[in-house]
Parts: sequence; C-alpha cells; structure tokens
Amino acid sequence: KQEVTQIPAALSVPEGENLVLNCSFTDSAIYNLQWFRQDPGKGLTSLLLIQSSQREQTSGRLNASLDKSSGRSTLYIAASQPGDSATYLCAVYVYNTDKLIFGTGTRLQVFP
Amino acid sequence: EAQVTQNPRYLITVTGKKLTVTCSQNMNHEYMSWYRQDPGLGLRQIYYSMNVEVTDKGDVPEGYKVSRKEKRNFPLILESPSPNQTSLYFCASSSDHPGYNEQFFGPGTRLTVL
Repeated sequence: KQEVTQIPAALSVPEGENLVLNCSFTDSAIYNLQWFRQDPGKGLTSLLLIQSSQREQTSGRLNASLDKSSGRSTLYIAASQPGDSATYLCAVYVYNTDKLIFGTGTRLQVFP
Repeated sequence: EAQVTQNPRYLITVTGKKLTVTCSQNMNHEYMSWYRQDPGLGLRQIYYSMNVEVTDKGDVPEGYKVSRKEKRNFPLILESPSPNQTSLYFCASSSDHPGYNEQFFGPGTRLTVL
C-alpha cells in the first residue's frame, strides 16, 4: 500500500531564506507527483506537477524534483516571503489504481 | 473563470438527517473526485468518477453516495450522517486521466454532524 510522508511537519523560518520541503513515498509505481499549497480555511492550489518520466519542474521561485527510484521528491522555495506561509502537500497518483494519495503536509511559516 | 465550486461551504446538521453537498466544475473536465480531510490523517479519497455515469469507490466510501448524471456536477450524498463524518470535504476535477493532468480543487465544505 502506497504511503506518503512529509518531513518536517512544521517549519518556521525568517523571510529571505531558501528552504526545502521533503516528500517520500513507498511505491515507485506512480504516474506523477503533484505539490499543492493549502491556505487556512481554503482549498488546495496546484503548484507543480511532475510526470514520472521527468526529473524536475520549475515555476517562479519554486522548484520541485522527483527521484522515483528512491521514492523522494523535494520542493525548493527560493527567497521565502511571508506570503509563502501555508501548508504544503504532496500527492502521488498511483499506477493502476486511479487514486491520488496525499501526504499529511508541511506547515510553513515565514516571518518578517 | 475556470473553477470548481462547492455548496454549502459550511454546514451543521444532526445525526441521521440526509444531506447533499454539491460540486460543479465549468472546465468540461471528465474526472471528478471527493476527498475528506481530517487532522493527522490528511486527505483521503471517498469516491471518484472517470466520466458521466461512471463512478468508483476510493479509500473511505462507507456512509457516502455519489452520482454523475451530468459532466459538470458530482454531488456527494450522506444518507444518514454520523458524527464521525464531521470533516472538511473537497471536490476536485481534472481534464482527463489524473495520471497525466493536474487536479483542481474546490474551496471545501466544512461539515459538522452533531
């Protein structure tokens, strides 16, 4: 059974720092991995989608990498800002199951 | 504006009183899904639909029903709600098979069952 783990569960950093969020999964048979952002009381916003054949995706200050063989993905946030404060979730779409399996998230706080 | 909408956003009800949470998307997406989010458990899939009249169970389908009579709508039905169904519910959609496309989420429905 696919399990997705995110470490750390919470992170508090000063503005301007570069930071890395980690996501690991137990079964490498995935179609893709997606990173989401969730603001308090709101829905999920898709940040980056990495197909299983890809190694990384970039959008602005965000860069996500995927190492399928080792079951790991990282989300790199450059020059963090207070507006980046949110919970970040990763999810893998499991091969042959039609299911998206989520991690429990990393709660990020960026203080001025 | 392309979006997934859910109604109601907040609902407090009592045990056993049937309710429906509506979900609608305006992007002509084929795939739609329902999730619930609980502290410490993350998001778990309840039901999903690959197209009209095609639905299937997710990881936690007990106590829920869905229907997909039109492409844009995917309501979630709780025939006899119980307190353990108190949760934050999200509807999501994607243009095609979600293995190849990003999923778009609605704003969520916070349900409390007393």
